[in-house]
Amino acid sequence: QLVESGGGLVQPGGSLRLSCAASGIIVSGDHIFWVRQSPGRGLEWVSVIYSGGPRYYADSVKGRFTISRDISKNTVYLQMNSLRIEDTAVYYCARERAGTRFLDPWGQGTLVTVSS
Amino acid sequence: DIQMTQSPSSLSASVGDRVTITCRASQSVDRDLNWYQWKPGKTPKLLIFAASSLQRGVPSRFSGSGSGTDFTLTISSLQPEDFATYYCLQTYSALPWTFGQGTKVEIK
Repeated sequence: QLVESGGGLVQPGGSLRLSCAASGIIVSGDHIFWVRQSPGRGLEWVSVIYSGGPRYYADSVKGRFTISRDISKNTVYLQMNSLRIEDTAVYYCARERAGTRFLDPWGQGTLVTVSS
Repeated sequence: DIQMTQSPSSLSASVGDRVTITCRASQSVDRDLNWYQWKPGKTPKLLIFAASSLQRGVPSRFSGSGSGTDFTLTISSLQPEDFATYYCLQTYSALPWTFGQGTKVEIK
């Protein structure tokens, strides 16, 4: 399973780091995605770190968000800088077992609110 | 980016009804189409992958069909626990993978 944490209230321009702690899943052996959900934008892919190490980002967060992983903690992180009001969303992490082309399981989500 | 158009955005149905939700892609996604169930306070649940493959543990009243650009999720006999929001996700393209806008299934 996957458990997200680190969400909260932050002012525009601020930073947050989200964590996605895995159990029963080896984060270095699978692809871990971040997906967010907001009333205005629906469900949106944010970032992915592949098992081999490559990382990709949605255009909307490129240059502001950084995905990383700590193998010793079996945890994936999403460092979010220069946060904008439109980044307000519930952030989910999810696993793609390599080559399966579906996301399962998902975490329960963590809410990020960007507001002054 | 591939656009996914899901319909209807909401529907009202009764227990026992047959429910059909559709998802249309702006270009072919072959059979790389998943369906998910979202309930408040619960983790999103994979129902169908590869357009028509039932995920382990998902009741057989759920089924998926389609290929190319047009896909359908069918619930053959709606149960009380099925009232939720359903989303399609295409995983055919290189990133970004894209979601439909969701269909909220409500009690009539």
